[in-house]
Amino acid sequence: ETGVTQSPTHLIKTRGQQVTLRCSSQSGHNTVSWYQQALGQGPQFIFQYYREEENGRGNFPPRFSGLQFPNYSSELNVNALELDDSALYLCASRRVGASWETQYFGPGTRLLVL
Amino acid sequence: ELKVEQNPLFLSMQEGKNYTIYCNYSTTSDRLYWYRQDPGKSLESLFVLLSNGAVKQEGRLMASLDTKARLSTLHITAAVHDLSATYFCAVVALYGNKLVFGAGTILRVKS
Repeated sequence: ETGVTQSPTHLIKTRGQQVTLRCSSQSGHNTVSWYQQALGQGPQFIFQYYREEENGRGNFPPRFSGLQFPNYSSELNVNALELDDSALYLCASRRVGASWETQYFGPGTRLLVL
Repeated sequence: ELKVEQNPLFLSMQEGKNYTIYCNYSTTSDRLYWYRQDPGKSLESLFVLLSNGAVKQEGRLMASLDTKARLSTLHITAAVHDLSATYFCAVVALYGNKLVFGAGTILRVKS
């Protein structure tokens, strides 16, 4: 077990809706990253948060947004869902300044957009 | 922009055989990771390689890194069915704050 949890495990939405995915990191892990993994592909970096501020973003549109809270939890919000947003969403957390080897992935949320 | 390529993308092996998965990356990096993913599951860290010539081994898997060639290999020795999974390499760019993953290699070991 990595100590990183995500909820929900599965989710079905329709096109145009909004969704919020949640991640709870290990205590002391003040950096959280979110990844999108489409079926048959490698994870793609969405963004990273440190001390409740976004400090890195991949090639994702603004309708992908996030929040990080002081209690080591975070959210990924996706507005105006599109069919191509169907994927496994992974969060990963670590302590900033710690080596990357200590980054741990959660079990993921599988989102299906119909 | 950092790009990571793996090959092959699909590998079907007989039990007991040896094979190698290759991971090439396009820009300088100071660390490379190998992950395993079982169907419907999250990523499990296998190895982290930090320097040129680094070699790590765990059971039937051995990973190596050549930073000059920007190449890492994951060698499978005497494959067993339990090794069936998807294997990803991922690279952190120098001064970067994200992992860039390859497309993954689906490994199927047949008995």
